[in-house]
This record gives sequence, structure tokens and C-alpha cells, in this order.
Amino acid sequence: QVQLQESAPGLVKPSGTLSLTCAVSGGSISSNNWWSWVRQPPGKGMEWIGEIYHRGNTNYNPSLKSRVTISVDKSKNQFSLKLSSVTAADTAIYYCVKIIGGYGYMDVWGKGTTVAVSS
Amino acid sequence: EIVLTQSPGTLSLSPGERATLSCRASQSVSSSNLAWYQQKPGQAPRLLIYGASSRATGIPDRFSGSGSGTDFTLTISRLEPEDFAVYYCQQYGSSPGTFGQGTKLEIK
Repeated sequence: QVQLQESAPGLVKPSGTLSLTCAVSGGSISSNNWWSWVRQPPGKGMEWIGEIYHRGNTNYNPSLKSRVTISVDKSKNQFSLKLSSVTAADTAIYYCVKIIGGYGYMDVWGKGTTVAVSS
Repeated sequence: EIVLTQSPGTLSLSPGERATLSCRASQSVSSSNLAWYQQKPGQAPRLLIYGASSRATGIPDRFSGSGSGTDFTLTISRLEPEDFAVYYCQQYGSSPGTFGQGTKLEIK
């Protein structure tokens, strides 16, 4: 059973870069799945940020595309998110998620990590 | 992008009752690529339904999904105490994938 665990950076300064890593256990990141990031601002709904396949193919939400980079490290069985030029609007719980390859629904979620943007 | 509108925003019911949650899309969702998730306070969302009507592994059969095109429904036939939570629909047929704003199911 695949499990996902986000790293916990906690606080990021405005205009800085948010960096998160998701460790994949119980399965290989090189399997036929996509690996994604979803965020949820406090008390609000969810927003898909983007996704990556182990070969490096990526898709990003157009609303964030200019600021987002998702990468994969097969040697460590993990994938990462970088979000640049952050503002208070980027304060949220960030989840890493496994997407079933060839289908598209999100079947495994990490517990989530809270990121606050504040000086 | 496809906008999903869930109704009602809050649903107040008692254990044992039937719950019907609606998700309406601004455009047709291709191949019924719609999922439902349950989220309890302080927890990550959990996949309930995918492909509009297929239950995920381990999900009780009191949960059922239906619909196609732009109108989808999640039905919980007999509410158990652990079912009171927030429910989200999500379409994954068109990029970017989008979520509804959620329906809160609360104990009456």
C-alpha cells in the first residue's frame, strides 16, 4: 500500500520560494502513476497545483504555471514542489497525492503540511 | 476550466436518514471522469467514488454515485455517525482538474 509523506517547511517569507518534498513509500515512483500537489487554503476548498510522471512529464494549473516547478528524484523515490514569489494567498495546507495512471483520479493522499507565508 | 457547483452548501440530517448531494458542472465532464472525496476535520480527503459511480476500495455500499454530462449525485443511503463530514466532487476529464466548493454534512 503506497503511503505519502510531505516535508514540513512551516513558514515562508513573502516573495520567497516555498519548497516541499513528498516521500513515497510502499511502492515505486516509477510505477504507472502521476504524482501531484493539491492545496487547501484555511477554511476553503481545494486547488490542483500540478503533476509529474516519473519520466519527467509535467502538467501545471495555468493559474500557477509561471511560479510552479514540480520535479522527481527516482533515486530517493520522492517528488518535489517549488512555488516562487509567494504571498499570503499561498498560505494553505499542501497535500501530495497519487493519481492513478491512465485514469486521473486521486486515490492516495499524504496527511498534508501547513505552510504559512508571513514575515 | 470547468467550474463545479455543489449543493446544498450545508445539509443537516440525522443518523439513519438518506443524504443526497449534488454536483453540477459548467460544461460536460468527459467520460464521466468525476470523483467524490470525503474530508473530516484535520484529515486529508479520502477517495469515495471515481468514474462517477465506482466505489473505491473499502468504501461501504451505502455510498453510491450517479450521473453523467453536467449533473452528478452522491447518495448515502443510511447515514452512520462517521459519515458527517465535508464532501467534495472533482472532475479530472479536462485540465486543469477542478474541485467543487464542498458540501458540509452535519448532524441535525
